[in-house]
Amino acid sequence: EAGVAQSPRYKIIEKRQSVAFWCNPISGHATLYWYQQILGQGPKLLIQFQNNGVVDDSQLPKDRFSAERLKGVDSTLKIQPAKLEDSAVYLCASSLELAGAKVEQFFGPGTRLTVL
Amino acid sequence: AQRVTQPEKLLSVFKGAPVELKCNYSYSGSPELFWYVQYSRQRLQLLLRHISRESIKGFTADLNKGETSFHLKKPFAQEEDSAMYYCALNSGYALNFGKGTSLLVTP
Repeated sequence: EAGVAQSPRYKIIEKRQSVAFWCNPISGHATLYWYQQILGQGPKLLIQFQNNGVVDDSQLPKDRFSAERLKGVDSTLKIQPAKLEDSAVYLCASSLELAGAKVEQFFGPGTRLTVL
Repeated sequence: AQRVTQPEKLLSVFKGAPVELKCNYSYSGSPELFWYVQYSRQRLQLLLRHISRESIKGFTADLNKGETSFHLKKPFAQEEDSAMYYCALNSGYALNFGKGTSLLVTP
């Protein structure tokens, strides 16, 4: 089966600029996750969707980050305006259902963002 | 608070030697734990989950609730095991990852 797709793979912007990332999950996967992975750290969940509804966005910096999954399939994550500390790899993942003991999350290749 | 601790940033072993990647957690509920792996230039992928109690690529992990640990073990390391390993705790609906341990298996 085709995996989780993300674009772009790399992005370099200057601070205070805006940037958007796109994710296409595995077909049929109801749950979609966006993670931020700063160098030397493990992935940190930013937001989680079940179909087109938000399940958890408690760690999303809502003053600058936004995400949507309007039709319950593709998703976009936006940062506006970007700060230096937003430099990280942004990972998208999907799963058939909400996370649980048996649920496997499938990850995309990530988008590496550098903010100068 | 939910927390996953992987105390070793880097672990280097010789091919054929046993390997143990440590993972400790803190969680007030019944923990659901996973090991994810990322090989060079590949995506993060599931290695194993505690509920399955299975051996994948020779790796096993046992949940020890008394010691709040979920260490990953393999009796004989292979060069192809070199990768980044992340322990993760399912807390509610989200996965909480540790910082990861880089395993290097040298010939």
